[in-house]
Amino acid sequence: GAVVSQHPSWVICKSGTSVKIECRSLDFQATTMFWYRQFPKQSLMLMATSNEGSKATYEQGVEKDKFLINHASLTLSTLTVTSAHPEDSSFYICSAPPDRPMNTEAFFGQGTRLTVV
Amino acid sequence: AQTVTQSQPEMSVQEAETVTLSCTYDTSESDYYLFWYKQPPSRQMILVIRQEAYKQQNATENRFSVNFQKAAKSFSLKISDSQLGDAAMYFCAYRISLFKAAGNKLTFGGGTRVLVKP
Repeated sequence: GAVVSQHPSWVICKSGTSVKIECRSLDFQATTMFWYRQFPKQSLMLMATSNEGSKATYEQGVEKDKFLINHASLTLSTLTVTSAHPEDSSFYICSAPPDRPMNTEAFFGQGTRLTVV
Repeated sequence: AQTVTQSQPEMSVQEAETVTLSCTYDTSESDYYLFWYKQPPSRQMILVIRQEAYKQQNATENRFSVNFQKAAKSFSLKISDSQLGDAAMYFCAYRISLFKAAGNKLTFGGGTRVLVKP
């Protein structure tokens, strides 16, 4: 079946540094990808919609300048957490619905656990 | 805005028994889809079952079945013959038709943790 690869699986970074998370669809094209954030024992909250060839669409309350999204190709979206702080520590998950066939459900990456120290 | 509510934070079931998870949602749309996702300790999201709102027949996938009540905006999941591997967080999710803008965006409920006792 279709696979979405998310990298890295976990990362520890120092406060003030930036971290890049990749979401790659391995055997299908995805014009749109989604980035979610999940706090411990909580649900997934949509952060932004990544669009290939155009700007990302951010949900209300999500800082565009802190969470930079780049959809460089039909198989790759990246989320960069800039100037990370401890409160950015969380579990980040991407999902990608295949462009074809239509009406196919999105596949999820395995997630990235970010810890900012 | 669409909302999804799961009123049971945790449910416990004996192995081989049946457990039902509740989910209610709020929407003004007529064309939408509902899902149950499983998130095991690995945290990989796994699609369990999907229901199209236009279909009256309840979806089933092996030991998993749903009770979809469109008028009541209710979408419960029944896990039959529970197995140890069913232990996980279960999320109810909603999305509108793909033919609408951002149609593939999912709205999740708060989740229900299922514990399976051997």
